Amino acid sequence: KNQVEQSPQSLIILEGKNCTLQCNYTVSPFSNLRWYKQDTGRGPVSLTIMTFSENTKSNGRYTATLDADTKQSSLHITASQLSDSASYICVVSERRAGKSTFGDGTTLTVKP
Amino acid sequence: DAGVIQSPRHEVTEMGQEVTLRCKPISGHNSLFWYRQTMMRGLELLIYFNNNVPIDDSGMPEDRFSAKMPNASFSTLKIQPSEPRDSAVYFCASSLGQPSSYEQYFGPGTRLTVT
Repeated sequence: KNQVEQSPQSLIILEGKNCTLQCNYTVSPFSNLRWYKQDTGRGPVSLTIMTFSENTKSNGRYTATLDADTKQSSLHITASQLSDSASYICVVSERRAGKSTFGDGTTLTVKP
Repeated sequence: DAGVIQSPRHEVTEMGQEVTLRCKPISGHNSLFWYRQTMMRGLELLIYFNNNVPIDDSGMPEDRFSAKMPNASFSTLKIQPSEPRDSAVYFCASSLGQPSSYEQYFGPGTRLTVT
């Protein structure tokens, strides 16, 4: 069964600090991996999409990495801001059926 | 562009009643998705349409749930009869192409409470 596991489940950091969120998956055959940010009470918003051949992609202060061999991805947030407080969801899609498997998310809290 | 539009934003109903959730995708997008999100199960794909045709409804929990897309600019998700365990936030999303390859844009969600 395809699985996507995210860690940590929750994280608290001080404003201005960096942090890294992890995503491990067993989805195969792999098509792409997406990171979403979901603010409380709102729908998820896409941060990055990476295919097999891409091992890093940035979106402002967000940088995602992908190791397709070990089936691991990370999302690094630089110089965190209060507005980064949200849930971050990793989604991995299969190549053939186009099905996507969602992680349970990491809840990030940035404190002043 | 107004983005994906969902209505209502909040719905409170009694067990046994019929509930209809509505979605207007982004103009020009040809794929539409219905998701359910709960604390216990996270975000789950219920069904997705491509060019108004249901492609994968394997996530629809049971026969009480049905979804339609009569045209490219409108979709409904119906629950009949509703049960307390259906309480969740229901999201609609749309994308420009193949569901796994293109970015999905989510609506604000409908928070459903069944008492």
